[in-house]
Amino acid sequence: EAQVTQNPRYLITVTGKKLTVTCSQNMNHEYMSWYRQDPGLGLRQIYYSMNVEVTDKGDVPEGYKVSRKEKRNFPLILESPSPNQTSLYFCASSPKPQGTYGYTFGSGTRLTVV
Amino acid sequence: AQTVTQSQPEMSVQEAETVTLSCTYDTSESDYYLFWYKQPPSRQMILVIRQEAYKQQNATENRFSVNFQKAAKSFSLKISDSQLGDAAMYFCAYRIPSAGNMLTFGGGTRLMVKP
Repeated sequence: EAQVTQNPRYLITVTGKKLTVTCSQNMNHEYMSWYRQDPGLGLRQIYYSMNVEVTDKGDVPEGYKVSRKEKRNFPLILESPSPNQTSLYFCASSPKPQGTYGYTFGSGTRLTVV
Repeated sequence: AQTVTQSQPEMSVQEAETVTLSCTYDTSESDYYLFWYKQPPSRQMILVIRQEAYKQQNATENRFSVNFQKAAKSFSLKISDSQLGDAAMYFCAYRIPSAGNMLTFGGGTRLMVKP
């Protein structure tokens, strides 16, 4: 089944403890992206990647890191999480960044930082 | 700044009736793509319908259709014969090739369907 797989689905952590949210897609998509969803703000892009070893900042990159060493994987790293990073996170992928391709989204990761 | 605005935080509709969700956007570009996504309580993001800005004909997918008014920068979603399973958050979004192709979302509209 073609899908984007995110793990974990839920995560509670403490301020300052480094964490990684994994994202993997099995569709050979070039484009991958991370979003955070907050009430009333919709989804805002954190980072995106056009292809392997090519990443760039989205609208809200502060406090996050990413890497794209393989085409299928695009982990999101929070080196020192803070309470304002409590949010619902989505990984998404697209065949290419151009055109009317919709994104395929993962199931989301609900992160709580206390 | 590029923006997408959904002015209705919540809407409700009677089962089998029709409802229209509003979306306006702001861009000076002529080439862009518009989308509506549905997010049910499972929180999965599901693509409902898409529209290319260069096409004048409104997109339709079964009970879902859009009213695309390019000059007014408006992209509303009409749901006909509403069903209980349509209850969800709906997000309007656009994608602009010249601006890095980022998908920019509105704040969302929560749709409730009354039996």
